[in-house]
Amino acid sequence: DAKTTQPNSMESNEEEPVHLPCNHSTISGTDYIHWYRQLPSQGPEYVIHGLTSNVNNRMASLAIAEDRKSSTLILHRATLRDAAVYYCILERSNDYKLSFGAGTTVTVRA
Amino acid sequence: DAMVIQNPRYQVTQFGKPVTLSCSQTLNHNVMYWYQQKSSQAPKLLFHYYDKDFNNEADTPDNFQSRRPNTSFCFLDIRSPGLGDAAMYLCATSRGQGGGNIQYFGAGTRLSVL
Repeated sequence: DAKTTQPNSMESNEEEPVHLPCNHSTISGTDYIHWYRQLPSQGPEYVIHGLTSNVNNRMASLAIAEDRKSSTLILHRATLRDAAVYYCILERSNDYKLSFGAGTTVTVRA
Repeated sequence: DAMVIQNPRYQVTQFGKPVTLSCSQTLNHNVMYWYQQKSSQAPKLLFHYYDKDFNNEADTPDNFQSRRPNTSFCFLDIRSPGLGDAAMYLCATSRGQGGGNIQYFGAGTRLSVL
């Protein structure tokens, strides 16, 4: 499985943006970059995914480096409900599987 | 409305007593997955079904089995639970078409083994 590297934890203040980095230097040309988050005592929740171009949705933005060896998940205005473990995962095309790494624990201060 | 439903949310079993966890979906997705998540760890894929085709992960113990009688339901059977099998078990589904395949997770079943 292609590996991703994320910081163990990050802290943010409420209403401020959060930038979550992810390194995936062994990514191949057809691997998709996914982000999921897991709130306490819940199942993981899809956040966003992309292949080459930057992506925006109602939850977040995904900025993908030109060489695709890294990406950044951007939460534009953190709220207390965004406190969760965020997982950056590579999906091999047509593999249908996700291999979760340790993720980044995000803490949001009021 | 919940789209991936896991029952029960909490399950207690005895050491060595078989237990079955259930998952149902209203999404009509082709693929159903079972993950195990131990405390403070990331989810770990046990196996998945693409339609009726079963795909086991290489390191999934033989103690874990699965059944998918139809598109909507999938079961996880633990034949002889040990103390080390106490964990959260997560079910997920996806369309399984092309890249960028989004998985939808249930809330999980927390299994305790006494």
